[in-house]
Amino acid sequence: KQEVTQIPAALSVPEGENLVLNCSFTDSAIYNLQWFRQDPGKGLTSLLLIQSSQREQTSGRLNASLDKSSGRSTLYIAASQPGDSATYLCAVRTGANSKLTFGKGITLSVRP
Amino acid sequence: DTAVSQTPKYLVTQMGNDKSIKCEQNLGHDTMYWYKQDSKKFLKIMFSYNNKELIINETVPNRFSPKSPDKAHLNLHINSLELGDSAVYFCASSQGDISEQFFGPGTRLTVL
Repeated sequence: KQEVTQIPAALSVPEGENLVLNCSFTDSAIYNLQWFRQDPGKGLTSLLLIQSSQREQTSGRLNASLDKSSGRSTLYIAASQPGDSATYLCAVRTGANSKLTFGKGITLSVRP
Repeated sequence: DTAVSQTPKYLVTQMGNDKSIKCEQNLGHDTMYWYKQDSKKFLKIMFSYNNKELIINETVPNRFSPKSPDKAHLNLHINSLELGDSAVYFCASSQGDISEQFFGPGTRLTVL
């Protein structure tokens, strides 16, 4: 059974800092991995999708990496801004026709 | 706007009632999902439909019945509501069941 862990549960950093959010999963035979952002009281916004054959994906100030063999992914946020404050969730899909398994998320607070 | 939309946004009801949540996507996707996010913010899939056919049915009480009248709609009907059904329910869609998923804004259900 796939399990996804995101530690720590919360993180507070000063504005401008570069930061890394970690995600680990127990079953390395994944199909893809997706990072989401959730603002309070809102739905999930897809940030990046990494296929199992890829090592990383970039979108603006965000860079996500994937190391399948070690069961890890990281989301790198460059030059953090207060607007980046949100909960960041990692989710993995283990095979086609299978569900996304979510981590519990990391709540990020970027202080002005 | 192209998006995944859900109605209602908030739903407050008494135990024992029957209620429905509607979901529509105009992204042209062929796969739709229902997720439940509990009070601890943990997100778990409930159902997945591909081209109006049930693909994933997690261990969900049979009081929950999804209905997909067409590819653009996936509604969730809940019978005999219980206190434990209180949660935020998210609809999502994707093109095929392995690509990026896009989420609706959520429906906060409160059962009194």
